[in-house]
Amino acid sequence: EPEVTQTPSHQVTQMGQEVILRCVPISNHLYFYWYRQILGQKVEFLVSFYNNEISEKSEIFDDQFSVERPDGSNFTLKIRSTKLEDSAMYFCASRPIPGTSGGAYVGDTQYFGPGTRLTVL
Amino acid sequence: KNQVEQSPQSLIILEGKNCTLQCNYTVSPFSNLRWYKQDTGRGPVSLTIMTFSENTKSNGRYTATLDADTKQSSLHITASQLSDSASYICVVTPPGDDYKLSFGAGTTVTVRA
Repeated sequence: EPEVTQTPSHQVTQMGQEVILRCVPISNHLYFYWYRQILGQKVEFLVSFYNNEISEKSEIFDDQFSVERPDGSNFTLKIRSTKLEDSAMYFCASRPIPGTSGGAYVGDTQYFGPGTRLTVL
Repeated sequence: KNQVEQSPQSLIILEGKNCTLQCNYTVSPFSNLRWYKQDTGRGPVSLTIMTFSENTKSNGRYTATLDADTKQSSLHITASQLSDSASYICVVTPPGDDYKLSFGAGTTVTVRA
């Protein structure tokens, strides 16, 4: 059964550097999401993306963050100038349109990737 | 602001025993309530999903209940196994097309032999 994949699994960067986290959502899913989880804290919503544009974003998702779907299969999260407090696990998720998926996928469930651990030094 | 509170924060149980995790929420109205299992260093995996009109939903040894009047949900794990050791997260979805999820902080369950 296809899964959401994310690369890299662990990224270490210096403060102020740009990072790009990559996700390959499940094929035929059309809604995409980024979440983050600071160590020991709850998962937090960052942004949702549909039809090649951001549909909703949280207060965390400021001008330092951007998302892109460059080629129809990848979904990326870019942090332009990383800060120490950006250190966290970043999860990508995808969701099919309800009623269209069939098979093993429940229409309104978000399927999460394994995450990328970002460490900012 | 939407709130999802879980208790206990953590618990330790012996293999084969049962346990119940609690979730209180203030998200209202809501589209659905899910319980996710998150293994250490991994992404959350959906266990159960209930709409506001459902009272219970089972997935193998996992049974979730929902009381929309009191805004409480529980997840019951029956005959626990070592592989049940994980964080269990209550997640509420407010209405709307975007399905922005509100996560609880999770309950960390440790199953010991």
